[in-house]
Amino acid sequence: EAGVAQSPRYKIIEKRQSVAFWCNPISGHATLYWYQQILGQGPKLLIQFQNNGVVDDSQLPKDRFSAERLKGVDSTLKIQPAKLEDSAVYLCASSLVEGAEQYFGPGTRLTVT
Amino acid sequence: QKEVEQDPGPLSVPEGAIVSLNCTYSNSAFQYFMWYRQYSRKGPELLMYTYSSGNKEDGRFTAQVDKSSKYISLFIRDSQPSDSATYLCAMSATSGTYKYIFGTGTRLKVLA
Repeated sequence: EAGVAQSPRYKIIEKRQSVAFWCNPISGHATLYWYQQILGQGPKLLIQFQNNGVVDDSQLPKDRFSAERLKGVDSTLKIQPAKLEDSAVYLCASSLVEGAEQYFGPGTRLTVT
Repeated sequence: QKEVEQDPGPLSVPEGAIVSLNCTYSNSAFQYFMWYRQYSRKGPELLMYTYSSGNKEDGRFTAQVDKSSKYISLFIRDSQPSDSATYLCAMSATSGTYKYIFGTGTRLKVLA
């Protein structure tokens, strides 16, 4: 069974630029999550989708971050404009249903200079 | 006070030792308890997934949950250098969004 796929793996941008990350969850998984992991910390949930609907985006900085999962399968997370403090690993995870085990992708390491 | 507390380490042990990793939490609504292993520059890998109190064993790994003390543990028997990684605990409630709350992770080094 293929795991969660993410791209790109690494991205370096200057502050105020925009960036987008892509995630393809495990086939058949209805729930998709985006996490931010700052160096030395545990992952923090940014947004959770159930199929193509948003379940929780309470910790998403909506003035600069946006995410979509239009067809209920893959998803994109965008940052515009980026700030230095956005430097982190952005992890995508999926689960079969809400509340089930979450499986993570390899992450995208973002460096904002 | 953070909802989930975890000692960041690093924890260094000799090969073959029994390793004990721990987390404490403050939210009594947590019912699901998970342990993830994260190698450098990789995504977290699910090791153990438990519901409510008790023990769960899988190979060299044993997860323990003590809800009365709000304390969870992961034991690794016969530790190997390949176990060197960061271990993250995570917890969620049984209602609402089932949002995972993670600890900061404990960095483990198993010395050959």
